Amino acid sequence: QVQLVESGGGVVQPGRSLRLSCAASGFTFTNHGMHWVRQAPGKGLEWVAVIWYDGSNKYYADSVKGRFTISRDNSKNTLYLQMNSLRAEDTAVYYCARGTTVGRGAFDIWGQGTMVTVSS
Amino acid sequence: SYVLTQPPSVSVAPGKTARITCGGNNIGSKSVHWYQQKPGQAPVLVIYYDSDRPSGIPERFSGSNSGNTATLTISRVEAGDEADYYCQVWDSTSDHPVFGGGTKLTVL
Repeated sequence: QVQLVESGGGVVQPGRSLRLSCAASGFTFTNHGMHWVRQAPGKGLEWVAVIWYDGSNKYYADSVKGRFTISRDNSKNTLYLQMNSLRAEDTAVYYCARGTTVGRGAFDIWGQGTMVTVSS
Repeated sequence: SYVLTQPPSVSVAPGKTARITCGGNNIGSKSVHWYQQKPGQAPVLVIYYDSDRPSGIPERFSGSNSGNTATLTISRVEAGDEADYYCQVWDSTSDHPVFGGGTKLTVL
């Protein structure tokens, strides 16, 4: 079935790095833009980044621009989020989500999320 | 950047109709998507492109969008509809998606 499975979360000290992965299955990965969306404890949803179906375009929220990098390996059906210079305010559940189009649109499939805690 | 405004909470009795609004400047010119999130779970898309329902979403869920307000309507509300609901659009100025702050639906 159509599925997204995130991994790579954990507890990390401020200033350190972490890489999240999202394994996709059950659909043609190369037909969809892919997103990362996060949710801080008790807060609402915050979009983080998007990568176009072919990796040609990448956009970031201002809060992570210059620190986070989104990428994808279409040969492995996997999405990544490299997070550098982590801050306490980056603490959140990180979801990967499939876009309904090659870039923009809605998020029609979500992973179960992976928790990232930034704390000393 | 584009701002979406939702009421923090809406309460409704079982069997009644719930309406959750999402306000934004000329939001009627944009495509609005709605997500349901139950505690401890990932969001689920319930309405996309203003009024389309993904497969598996009950017909009780419907959407509309005009002027400065988009509305998610849930008819014949059930206890299982209790959740947080988020609206989302794509901001053409920043070329970013934007979420509303979310509305907690309580079934009395």
